[in-house]
Amino acid sequence: DIQMTQSPSSLSASVGDRVTITCRASQGISNYLAWYQQKPGKVPKLLIYAASTLQSGVPSRFSGSGSGTDFTLTISSLQPEDVATYYCQKYSGAPWTFGQGTKVESK
Amino acid sequence: QVQLVESGGGLVKPGGSLRLSCAASGFTFSDYYMSWIRQAPGKGLEWISYISSSGSTIYYADSVKGRFTISRDNAKNSLYLQMNSLRAEDTAVYYCASFRVTQYSRYPHDYWGQGTLVTVSS
Repeated sequence: DIQMTQSPSSLSASVGDRVTITCRASQGISNYLAWYQQKPGKVPKLLIYAASTLQSGVPSRFSGSGSGTDFTLTISSLQPEDVATYYCQKYSGAPWTFGQGTKVESK
Repeated sequence: QVQLVESGGGLVKPGGSLRLSCAASGFTFSDYYMSWIRQAPGKGLEWISYISSSGSTIYYADSVKGRFTISRDNAKNSLYLQMNSLRAEDTAVYYCASFRVTQYSRYPHDYWGQGTLVTVSS
């Protein structure tokens, strides 16, 4: 099975900072990569699919890039409401593995 | 609007069984594939199973294969997860989530339920 590895596992950034999270697949998955945001005590929310397509209603400060095995989620200017855990997920074929998550905190 | 509402969670002893349900509304349920995804307390997300729109295609994670059974009833707009031989490590919030598959592509989970907590403990 393909493994998904996110880094870092956690980070602390100031409001307005650029934040970058990476996700690496153990084998190529084309662009079948999604990013989700989960705020504390809440349900996960789809942010980006097809590696770089913004889900409807998601602020444009979020962006995704990559293809094959290496992917990136970028928050161009961190806002207080972006404090959350972010997960990547491959959906190229079963199993639809998630990364272990990256917890984003505010300094 | 789209709603997914899980039910059936609770406390069960190791080795016991439980059946989860997910009631869907606000969209054409029979057009969508459905997954069960779980999250152990304080841990990350784990995809455990999906079923195609017709029910003809099913996949499981290795962690639940042979113990859990996913099914759906499109006439009742409902998804199910029969969980047998439960273990302490199955303790988690269980979410149902929908996704689309078209002739040309597939899409990830766009709608999620609020989740139902399953606790396996003696």
